[in-house]
Amino acid sequence: GAVVSQHPSRVICKSGTSVKIECRSLDFQATTMFWYRQFPKQSLMLMATSNEGSKATYEQGVEKDKFLINHASLTLSTLTVTSAHPEDSSFYICSVGMDLAKNIQYFGAGTRLSVL
Amino acid sequence: KQEVTQIPAALSVPEGENLVLNCSFTDSAIYNLQWFRQDPGKGLTSLLLIQSSQREQTSGRLNASLDKSSGRSTLYIAASQPGDSATYLCAVRPTGNQFYFGTGTSLTVIP
Repeated sequence: GAVVSQHPSRVICKSGTSVKIECRSLDFQATTMFWYRQFPKQSLMLMATSNEGSKATYEQGVEKDKFLINHASLTLSTLTVTSAHPEDSSFYICSVGMDLAKNIQYFGAGTRLSVL
Repeated sequence: KQEVTQIPAALSVPEGENLVLNCSFTDSAIYNLQWFRQDPGKGLTSLLLIQSSQREQTSGRLNASLDKSSGRSTLYIAASQPGDSATYLCAVRPTGNQFYFGTGTSLTVIP
């Protein structure tokens, strides 16, 4: 099956800096990738749907100018947290939609972001 | 808005015991429900997928049931093993591609 590689697994940064997280589909050309985040003791929440070659679709309450998503190729989507603040500290995880009709998605290992 | 709740939040059992994890959701209009396993430092692994028209699915020692009308699902694990220790998440999919996840049950199986 598809293998999803997410990098980095953990990042610590200073407030005000930008952080880029990569999500790669190693075995499958993915036209659609998904970005989720999970705050401590809360559920995974969908942030945005990344579409290859077009603009991402953001969920309500997610700032598109703060969380920049680029899906320039069929195997790579990036999430950039711009001007990160401590409240952005969270667990970010991506998934690749292989067969959306069958609800088959493969998830990356996630990125733990800590903003000091 | 769909809300998914999992009980208990944490569970510790001795090896060999059978156990049940519970998931409830507020909106019964779902396309399907899925149980995942999450290990520390790793991604989510899909365990069982139940379509809205189905009542249960089985895979090895795992059995998941779905009662859509009451908004409940259970994951039954038979003869638990230390390797089953992980966080178990249930997720419902109303329509489209969005999953609504529960907060998970952290399971520890004691050798």
